[in-house]
Amino acid sequence: DIVMTQSPDSLPVSLGERATINCKSSQSVLYSSNNKNYLAWYQQKPGQPPRLLIYWASTRESGVPDRFSGSGSGTNFTLTISSLQTEDVAVYYCHQYFNYPRTFGPGTKVEIK
Amino acid sequence: QVQLVESGGGVVQPGKSLRLSCEASGFSFSNYAMHWVRQVPGKGLEWVATISYDGSQKYYADSVKGRSTISRDNSKNTVYVQMNSLRVEDTAVYYCAKEEISYDYWGRGILVTVSS
Repeated sequence: DIVMTQSPDSLPVSLGERATINCKSSQSVLYSSNNKNYLAWYQQKPGQPPRLLIYWASTRESGVPDRFSGSGSGTNFTLTISSLQTEDVAVYYCHQYFNYPRTFGPGTKVEIK
Repeated sequence: QVQLVESGGGVVQPGKSLRLSCEASGFSFSNYAMHWVRQVPGKGLEWVATISYDGSQKYYADSVKGRSTISRDNSKNTVYVQMNSLRVEDTAVYYCAKEEISYDYWGRGILVTVSS
């Protein structure tokens, strides 16, 4: 199984500042035949289902603000919120869809400092 | 617009069975794989099961393998998960999710509580 880890567990950030969340997979999620990383990022607010933000490690889902960006390849990935807004307070999860079993990171809670 | 609506949750005793349903609308259901993902309240996300667009392929998490069966009825735009021999640790909110590339749409979730 591919184990996903995230850091930090909790991230206090001032409004307007940058938030950076790291995600590591225990094995590469880069598929060599198409050069795509099978890595997604989700945002979850209390009482709501997760919302897809990023797929293929760096492709923003339609309707997601451009302050959200994803980067990385292989086993190391980053989600960046360039300028934190109040509505970005949430838990963020990385997720690999490279193989089964599908696995998620434990989540990073982003809050206002 | 895409909608996924779960039903069938509730309180059930350990060892009993439950079938969850997820009715889909707003997209060509028969063209997409569907998934169940669960979340213990206050905890992280756990993938449970997947069924391919035509039902020919099914995958299960080890935690539910042998106790659960995922199925779909494309004529009713509905995906199911039958859960047997329920355990206290199966208590969670269960989400169904549509897979485009990853999970682009999720239902609101349905709470399953396993308790005596």
